[in-house]
Amino acid sequence: RKEVEQDPGPFNVPEGATVAFNCTYSNSASQSFFWYRQDCRKEPKLLMSVYSSGNEDGRFTAQLNRASQYISLLIRDSKLSDSATYLCVVTNTGNQFYFGTGTSLTVIP
Amino acid sequence: EPEVTQTPSHQVTQMGQEVILRCVPISNHLYFYWYRQILGQKVEFLVSFYNNEISEKSEIFDDQFSVERPDGSNFTLKIRSTKLEDSAMYFCASSDIGTIFSYEQYFGPGTRLTVT
Repeated sequence: RKEVEQDPGPFNVPEGATVAFNCTYSNSASQSFFWYRQDCRKEPKLLMSVYSSGNEDGRFTAQLNRASQYISLLIRDSKLSDSATYLCVVTNTGNQFYFGTGTSLTVIP
Repeated sequence: EPEVTQTPSHQVTQMGQEVILRCVPISNHLYFYWYRQILGQKVEFLVSFYNNEISEKSEIFDDQFSVERPDGSNFTLKIRSTKLEDSAMYFCASSDIGTIFSYEQYFGPGTRLTVT
């Protein structure tokens, strides 16, 4: 069973749309959760950590549901620059990190 | 803004040769990591390093791999005898601990390793 699973997409949305991604994780002992974005052939860049109470950073909102073992990312008012692959990352101990395969987003003019 | 740097950006080597990939983590960070990403696939954890020793390693990180922090700034990944399947992008990352942002990792731009 994969540690982290994501819908690979692709998601193609018009500018200004709201889009949501989900990610499930298999280990109930997982401690920390993150969303990263990765542009083509570039390094992953931290988008936001995901806290138990949920957190928001501008147009981005992340939520954690421990009971169902999933995390979500909501992007409001999509911009062309949001086009990227969004990676869900989970760690149990802080020493080993598990990446999802990523969800591809294309924002269309 | 401080950043992780990696050299070289691209390394081409012949099968069976040894390669050393270099990274300079962010200066006040305490945890260091190596990942690889085969083209079109997900990012895979290789190893984490803390306090001058390996904290955890994945199944990928076999005896052909080793890591070292030879001085106060560099962090290296050595592959002793490269195979064709080692061709991938190798990312170094570092993180701070002891804050509410614990374990947020910052990645370097990667070294593309091509084994021929």
